[in-house]
Amino acid sequence: DAKTTQPPSMDCAEGRAANLPCNHSTISGNEYVYWYRQIHSQGPQYIIHGLKNNETNEMASLIITEDRKSSTLILPHATLRDTAVYYCIGGGGADGLTFGKGTHLIIQP
Amino acid sequence: EAGVAQSPRYKIIEKRQSVAFWCNPISGHATLYWYQQILGQGPKLLIQFQNNGVVDDSQLPKDRFSAERLKGVDSTLKIQPAKLEDSAVYLCASSILRAVTQYFGPGTRLTVL
Repeated sequence: DAKTTQPPSMDCAEGRAANLPCNHSTISGNEYVYWYRQIHSQGPQYIIHGLKNNETNEMASLIITEDRKSSTLILPHATLRDTAVYYCIGGGGADGLTFGKGTHLIIQP
Repeated sequence: EAGVAQSPRYKIIEKRQSVAFWCNPISGHATLYWYQQILGQGPKLLIQFQNNGVVDDSQLPKDRFSAERLKGVDSTLKIQPAKLEDSAVYLCASSILRAVTQYFGPGTRLTVL
């Protein structure tokens, strides 16, 4: 799996868009970018994944740069329940996921 | 759709004792994973099953950890004997196939005293 780099923590005001960056400069051409989040005392929750194109679902949007070396997860209208650790993972091979330390996103009221 | 089930949710044991965790994956999911998450870190893969066969157990401490998935559905992870450094949350995840989205259970929090 590709090594990813994320800021350790971020704050965002409730109701605003939360933009979480991730660098994955070593990602190979067939590796997906996955995003999971982990709310306190729960298991990781799948959010979204993409390969080359931008993706959107009911939870978030994923913007991947053209060179695929970085991506941004966007939570369009953050709520207090979005406070969690967000993991960006480069992978998609047949192996298990390689988690880093992620970004602790704190939504401020 | 029911999610991944794990039990127990919490377990406290003394070092050198043994412990077992159980996981029931999402119905129809062929691939099952066990992860260990130490406080403050991301989950680390211990073992991966495809149906009832082991695909990857390279990070499983085999001198004390064992896991099985006899009928290709439920799985158990055992630690014998436990050490203090085994204190962690043990997460089970499943996916329909390898290399697709994984869905995680709530985890079992193990404390070794």
